[in-house]
Amino acid sequence: QKEVEQNSGPLSVPEGAIASLNCTYSDRGSQSFFWYRQYSGKSPELIMFIYSNGDKEDGRFTAQLNKASQYVSLLIRDSQPSDSATYLCAVNPTGGSNYKLTFGKGTLLTVNP
Amino acid sequence: NAGVTQTPKFQVLKTGQSMTLQCAQDMNHNSMYWYRQDPGMGLRLIYYSASEGTTDKGEVPNGYNVSRLNKREFSLRLESAAPSQTSVYFCASRHTDTQYFGPGTRLTVL
Repeated sequence: QKEVEQNSGPLSVPEGAIASLNCTYSDRGSQSFFWYRQYSGKSPELIMFIYSNGDKEDGRFTAQLNKASQYVSLLIRDSQPSDSATYLCAVNPTGGSNYKLTFGKGTLLTVNP
Repeated sequence: NAGVTQTPKFQVLKTGQSMTLQCAQDMNHNSMYWYRQDPGMGLRLIYYSASEGTTDKGEVPNGYNVSRLNKREFSLRLESAAPSQTSVYFCASRHTDTQYFGPGTRLTVL
């Protein structure tokens, strides 16, 4: 069974710090990787996706992918209280042209003012 | 442009009752999805539809049926609800890499 593992947290960081969220996956053939943010009681929304090994930056967010280690991470720089949410890692498994994503259980991030 | 809409927002059922969760999108997307989210379990795919008239099972399809009668609408039916189906249900539609989620339906089965 294809699995996506995340530390459930909660991860607590002070305002202005870097928050680091981690995710590992079991399907070595996975091709694309996604980070969703979900505020309490709301629906998930896409923050970033990454396909290639290395870093991908978008504003304060950086996604990092290491396919050899089957590891993907999300860094949030200059964390703000508004970043407090659950972050879901999702993986598009091997041959996944239909984007039937496998989600991790999510990491709860709290940014303290 | 409402995006993805779901009805109802909340529902309480008794064991054995049936109901249909409705989902509609106005973004002209081909692909649509139904997920359930349980505490500590993340999102799990129930069914997927690549286009009008086509559906495919996801990770947890047992106890559910779906219908994609047109491009806009993708409904999820519980024929005989069980307490194990108590969950928050999300519908999503996809354009390229991005799945857009509806606001969810919170279902309780007593």
